[in-house]
Amino acid sequence: AQSVTQLGSHVSVSEGALVLLRCNYSSSVPPYLFWYVQYPNQGLQLLLKYTSAATLVKGINGFEAEFKKSETSFHLTKPSAHMSDAAEYFCAVGSSNTGKLIFGQGTTLQVKP
Amino acid sequence: DGGITQSPKYLFRKEGQNVTLSCEQNLNHDAMYWYRQDPGQGLRLIYYSQIVNDFQKGDIAEGYSVSREKKESFPLTVTSAQKNPTAFYLCASSMTGQVNSGANVLTFGAGSRLTVL
Repeated sequence: AQSVTQLGSHVSVSEGALVLLRCNYSSSVPPYLFWYVQYPNQGLQLLLKYTSAATLVKGINGFEAEFKKSETSFHLTKPSAHMSDAAEYFCAVGSSNTGKLIFGQGTTLQVKP
Repeated sequence: DGGITQSPKYLFRKEGQNVTLSCEQNLNHDAMYWYRQDPGQGLRLIYYSQIVNDFQKGDIAEGYSVSREKKESFPLTVTSAQKNPTAFYLCASSMTGQVNSGANVLTFGAGSRLTVL
């Protein structure tokens, strides 16, 4: 069965600092991986997705993620945090058996002035 | 603009009542989903439908029911059998239900917050 684990339910960074949100997955087949962002009381928006075309995936708002098969990881990074990046971030893996997306627990990113 | 509309945004229910949450999409997507979100638990799949007139249970279907009579609509009923219905409910759709196609990117609605009094 496929699963995803996000390390750290809360991450706090200063404005301008590096953002690193961690995601590890479990999958017996090549995975499809996604990062979504959720602002308060809203739905989720796609940040980026990995579909095996390239290991470094660039998304919206300056975010990117690197697929590392040896580490079963898909960590999300941004070189310089903005106040507007404060939100909840979800990593997800696509189930090849059912077509469903399996979401991690979410990581809340706080950006301090 | 195409998108997903969920209504109502806020809903209050007394114990023992059934309520129905509406989800409408104009994206011409085949697949639709309902997720429940609780603090610290991420998103859990309630039901999903890959095609009209067909749907499958997700991980936490007990106490919920759905219908998919039209491609655009996928309403969710929270029944009185749901023990703890207070939560944020998210509807989503995707072009297809086949994740292997790479086209299974979910588009989400803005959510409905249900509170049981």
